[in-house]
Amino acid sequence: AQSVAQPEDQVNVAEGNPLTVKCTYSVSGNPYLFWYVQYPNRGLQFLLKYITGDNLVKGSYGFEAEFNKSQTSFHLKKPSALVSDSALYFCAVSLEMDSSYKLIFGSGTRLLVRP
Amino acid sequence: SAVISQKPSRDICQRGTSLTIQCQVDSQVTMMFWYRQQPGQSLTLIATANQGSEATYESGFVIDKFPISRPNLTFSTLTVSNMSPEDSSIYLCSVEMVGNEQYFGPGTRLTVT
Repeated sequence: AQSVAQPEDQVNVAEGNPLTVKCTYSVSGNPYLFWYVQYPNRGLQFLLKYITGDNLVKGSYGFEAEFNKSQTSFHLKKPSALVSDSALYFCAVSLEMDSSYKLIFGSGTRLLVRP
Repeated sequence: SAVISQKPSRDICQRGTSLTIQCQVDSQVTMMFWYRQQPGQSLTLIATANQGSEATYESGFVIDKFPISRPNLTFSTLTVSNMSPEDSSIYLCSVEMVGNEQYFGPGTRLTVT
């Protein structure tokens, strides 16, 4: 079965330190991978995606993600965390269906950046 | 990207009643999606709504419980029928844009008492 795993329910980091939010996937074929962020009482916001090309993908708000095919991972990273980065982060994989695609989401990781 | 609005933003409903959630997009889109996010959990796809055709439901979701309309390329509705407390969730619509990116509405927080 095709799936996405986020092994950490919560990640705690001090402001100014680097952060990593982990994601691994299990899909057949070449995956399309995404990261979304959800702030309290808000909908999901698109951060970045990997489809093909460079393994390091840069996205919104200074976030980046590294695609690693051999480890089937797509970890989200940021060199220097901000308190305002505290939110719920979802990794997702896109599965082809008929003439379009649907997203399968991981369980989510809550990021807490302390001042 | 797209600007997506949902109505209502939240509601408290009694069991046995139905609620219709509206999703409006500021541009024409082919694919619209409806998700459910139960408290403290991830998103689960309910159905995919194409304009001019029947919605496609995911396993575990049926049309009688979650009827969907898609009358044009900028609008869709999801009805939660015969509600029970287990239907208490956030319901989100999304649209697919170029590059397989999906953009989400702000969600409708439903509480069933």
